[in-house]
Amino acid sequence: LAKTTQPISMDSYEGQEVNITCSHNNIATNDYITWYQQFPSQGPRFIIQGYKTKVTNEVASLFIPADRKSSTLSLPRVSLSDTAVYYCLVYMNTGFQKLVFGTGTRLLVSP
Amino acid sequence: EPEVTQTPSHQVTQMGQEVILRCVPISNHLYFYWYRQILGQKVEFLVSFYNNEISEKSEIFDDQFSVERPDGSNFTLKIRSTKLEDSAMYFCASTEDGDQPQHFGDGTRLSIL
Repeated sequence: LAKTTQPISMDSYEGQEVNITCSHNNIATNDYITWYQQFPSQGPRFIIQGYKTKVTNEVASLFIPADRKSSTLSLPRVSLSDTAVYYCLVYMNTGFQKLVFGTGTRLLVSP
Repeated sequence: EPEVTQTPSHQVTQMGQEVILRCVPISNHLYFYWYRQILGQKVEFLVSFYNNEISEKSEIFDDQFSVERPDGSNFTLKIRSTKLEDSAMYFCASTEDGDQPQHFGDGTRLSIL
């Protein structure tokens, strides 16, 4: 069974940088890695997407090593409103390609 | 900003009944998806749909499930003979092409009694 694993939870304080890693050993060769944020009772919201190396947008950075077997979402200077669950989403090689969400990381940002 | 909309927001159904969950993807999008999220668990892929046919499906998407794009705007998920374990949030998503990020609706909460 294809798996993507993330830490279950992380705690941080306002203003700190938070790095969340997703392990995806069996990732498909040619597809993007995407990260989403989810608040309770809402659908996932797109944060950032990348294929390799580093990608940065106005809210986050994404670091992807050369082997692409993991990826790290970096949130600079988190605020209370960043408290949410964060998921990676990748295509896996499972005999047929399949979209797999990571196990999710619950981030709690405190004052 | 365009949104993916899902109806109803909450559906309560007796076990064994059929249910249809509805989604209106973003208008210029061509790829459509259904996901399931059991309470307290991660989001799970069910099926993707492109060019009026299923392009990929997971092991969860068995003969109990079917999808349809009955007209130019709606994308539906039908669950036949519902079971208690079908209770979950069901999310629809769409994207303009297969490489672009998916846009998700806010889901339908399905409760099977």
